Amino acid sequence: EAQVTQNPRYLITVTGKKLTVTCSQNMNHEYMSWYRQDPGLGLRQIYYSMNVEVTDKGDVPEGYKVSRKEKRNFPLILESPSPNQTSLYFCASRFSSINPGPWAYEQYFGPGTRLTVT
Amino acid sequence: AQTVTQSQPEMSVQEAETVTLSCTYDTSESDYYLFWYKQPPSRQMILVIRQEAYKQQNATENRFSVNFQKAAKSFSLKISDSQLGDAAMYFCAYRSASEGANNLFFGTGTRLTVIP
Repeated sequence: EAQVTQNPRYLITVTGKKLTVTCSQNMNHEYMSWYRQDPGLGLRQIYYSMNVEVTDKGDVPEGYKVSRKEKRNFPLILESPSPNQTSLYFCASRFSSINPGPWAYEQYFGPGTRLTVT
Repeated sequence: AQTVTQSQPEMSVQEAETVTLSCTYDTSESDYYLFWYKQPPSRQMILVIRQEAYKQQNATENRFSVNFQKAAKSFSLKISDSQLGDAAMYFCAYRSASEGANNLFFGTGTRLTVIP
């Protein structure tokens, strides 16, 4: 089954304790992204990756790191989490737009990770 | 950056009736994609319908259809014969068609309640 998986689904942690949220996709997608969802703000992009070893900042990158060592994985790292990073996080992936076909337009989302930083 | 505006934070509809959710966007580009996503209580983001800006014909998917007005930069979603399972948060989203453009710009969402 084609899917994007995230782990953990729920996480409660304390300020300053480093954490990693994993993301993996099995569709051989080139593009992967991380978004955070906050009430009244919709979803905002944190970081994205166009392919292995190619990453770039999105709209709200402060306090986050990412890496793309393998095509299927795109972990999100919070080196020193703070309460303002309490949010719902989504990983997403899709094909590069140079790929033909209507599927190139669609972005597949993971199930979300609810993070609470106290 | 592009902006997407959903001016209706909440909407309600009677079961079996029709409801229209509004979305406007701001862009200087001529080629782009527009999407409506549904987020039920499970929080999963589900693609409902998409529209390519170069297509004049409005997209339809079963009970879901859009009214795409490119000049007005408007992209509304019409849900016909509303069902209880349609109750969810709905997000409008925009993505440039430029090579390398990856960011989906989302609106703030409209929470739809379906009344039995």
